[in-house]
Amino acid sequence: SQQGEEDPQALSIQEGENATMNCSYKTSINNLQWYRQNSGRGLVHLILIRSNEREKHSGRLRVTLDTSKKSRSLLITASRAADTASYFCATAVSTSGTYKYIFGTGTRLKVLA
Amino acid sequence: GAVVSQHPSWVICKSGTSVKIECRSLDFQATTMFWYRQFPKQSLMLMATSNEGSKATYEQGVEKDKFLINHASLTLSTLTVTSAHPEDSSFYICSASPWSSYNSPLHFGNGTRLTVT
Repeated sequence: SQQGEEDPQALSIQEGENATMNCSYKTSINNLQWYRQNSGRGLVHLILIRSNEREKHSGRLRVTLDTSKKSRSLLITASRAADTASYFCATAVSTSGTYKYIFGTGTRLKVLA
Repeated sequence: GAVVSQHPSWVICKSGTSVKIECRSLDFQATTMFWYRQFPKQSLMLMATSNEGSKATYEQGVEKDKFLINHASLTLSTLTVTSAHPEDSSFYICSASPWSSYNSPLHFGNGTRLTVT
């Protein structure tokens, strides 16, 4: 399967703590995007990291590349109750002259106030 | 900018009837739109890639005659679930991007929750 594997599947933390979620694919990928989904809603794009980037920041978000595990991590610092949502990684896969996006299994984050 | 509107947000239909879901890019043109299906507490599974002016590309295991996709203009793609059955009940989400680039972020509609009784 091309689907990305994310861990943990679920994460519960206290407000103010950091949340880390990992994403790995069995095949090599060109870039990785992270999306957030509030319950029953569509997804919102958070950040993109290219294959030649080791780390990228956007506000309280930080994405890093772990070459030993062939995975990329999303770190949310100083979490807030409003960060409660599901987070998905996604990568673009080339196919038949075009491309499609394959999503990871997702991490359900719950931030307790 | 880059807003995608999906309609309806929820629909209940009887088994055997057909349901049409619309996906519109409001402020950009999209030659390609993607349709996903999502079960509770699970990830998004790509159903098909909708291409403006040509046939959609379906993922393996997705029935073309069951899930009809039409992308008649650069701002509208529709997914019709034909002869719906209770097992078709799910959350359907469309997405599109203003740019045809590998590194382009996707913009999503808010999804349609389909319940077939």
